Amino acid sequence: ELKVEQNPLFLSMQEGKNYTIYCNYSTTSDRLYWYRQDPGKSLESLFVLLSNGAVKQEGRLMASLDTKARLSTLHITAAVHDLSATYFCAVDNYGQNFVFGPGTRLSVLP
Amino acid sequence: GAGVSQSPRYKVAKRGQDVALRCDPISGHVSLFWYQQALGQGPEFLTYFQNEAQLDKSGLPSDRFFAERPEGSVSTLKIQRTQQEDSAVYLCASSLVAGGQETQYFGPGTRLLVL
Repeated sequence: ELKVEQNPLFLSMQEGKNYTIYCNYSTTSDRLYWYRQDPGKSLESLFVLLSNGAVKQEGRLMASLDTKARLSTLHITAAVHDLSATYFCAVDNYGQNFVFGPGTRLSVLP
Repeated sequence: GAGVSQSPRYKVAKRGQDVALRCDPISGHVSLFWYQQALGQGPEFLTYFQNEAQLDKSGLPSDRFFAERPEGSVSTLKIQRTQQEDSAVYLCASSLVAGGQETQYFGPGTRLLVL
């Protein structure tokens, strides 16, 4: 059974600082997705990582995937308040569905 | 452009009542997924349709949950004899191709509260 973990679960950081969110999973998969969810809203797709070594960047966020380590990272550079949200990673479950992590609640303080 | 829509956005039901939740996927999307998201947790898979065929319903928590997509577009998730533990946000997602290997686009969700 595929299990997905994230850490930290809660992250409070100051504006301008850098930090990394980690997502690790228990069984082989080479497709991983990052989503953002604002309070009371649905999920917004951020990154699609489709192979080992994949790296994607958008603004202050950069995501990478290491399928051998079963690990993905979401790196935040020079955080701003607008990045405050919950971030989920989701792993492709043998092409059938996604298994989501528990989410990382990020709060960026001025 | 039009995204995934869901209705109602909010539903309050008395325990024992039946409810029906609707999902309109993005036009032309082959795959449709239902997820249940409890407060403070990540979405959990319920069921998957490829066109009108329900290929996976392994995540449905009990036989009180039933989903259909009779014409391969709109889908309905029905919950019979609702219980308090059914209270959650129910998310629908669609993707262009078959299977779960492509980006899924999520609707706004239906918040169900069972009293």
